[in-house]
Amino acid sequence: EVQLVQSGAEVKKPGESLKISCKGSGYTFSNYWIGWVRQMPGKGLEWMAIIYPATSDTRDSPSFQGQVTISADKSISTAYLQWSSLKETDTAVYFCVRSSSLGAHDAFSVWGQGTMVTVSS
Amino acid sequence: DVVVTQSPDSLAVSLGERATINCKSSLNVFSSANNKNYLAWFQQKPRQPPRLLIYWASTRESGVPNRFSGSGSGTDFTLTISSLQAEDVAVYYCQQYYYTPQTFGQGTKVEIK
Repeated sequence: EVQLVQSGAEVKKPGESLKISCKGSGYTFSNYWIGWVRQMPGKGLEWMAIIYPATSDTRDSPSFQGQVTISADKSISTAYLQWSSLKETDTAVYFCVRSSSLGAHDAFSVWGQGTMVTVSS
Repeated sequence: DVVVTQSPDSLAVSLGERATINCKSSLNVFSSANNKNYLAWFQQKPRQPPRLLIYWASTRESGVPNRFSGSGSGTDFTLTISSLQAEDVAVYYCQQYYYTPQTFGQGTKVEIK
């Protein structure tokens, strides 16, 4: 079974750093684009960035450039989303997603369970 | 960014009746290279991740009931639930995946009347 399993909920203070993870299983991790989607409390879905684990090629949204870093370690089938200095406005659920096929422009057919990140002083 | 706009924001439909959600992209998402529209539909129930229902505008994902159908081309698309069931209560999102950044509509909440 194809699965994305994300790391657990986090509670952080403004200014702190954070790295959340997403482990893929049941498929060849390197071959599929994997990415992150944000959902702020009570709000809709926002596409953040995707990465191709085989080459670490990335595509990202200007809305999130410079705010977060996406990375992947193909040796352990894990993707990451990282912040160097959190803000209260980063409070959201972050979903890990995988493309349905081998291209960067394919629908997200696999979703992780979500990681709740709470940033509060 | 490409703006994707859904209508209505919410709708209430009686059980067994048809529900229709519209989605409009600010740019054409049809590719003449492969004859495909880069448009997907997702269903999200409370406290769950979204679920892919439809991709390429009209292809149903495996396991999705055939009461869900997608149509449209270019900039205008529709998701239809032919006979609403209680388990279809959810928020529905469309997404264009042709342009980077990919963008979602704001969501449409479907409830039972």
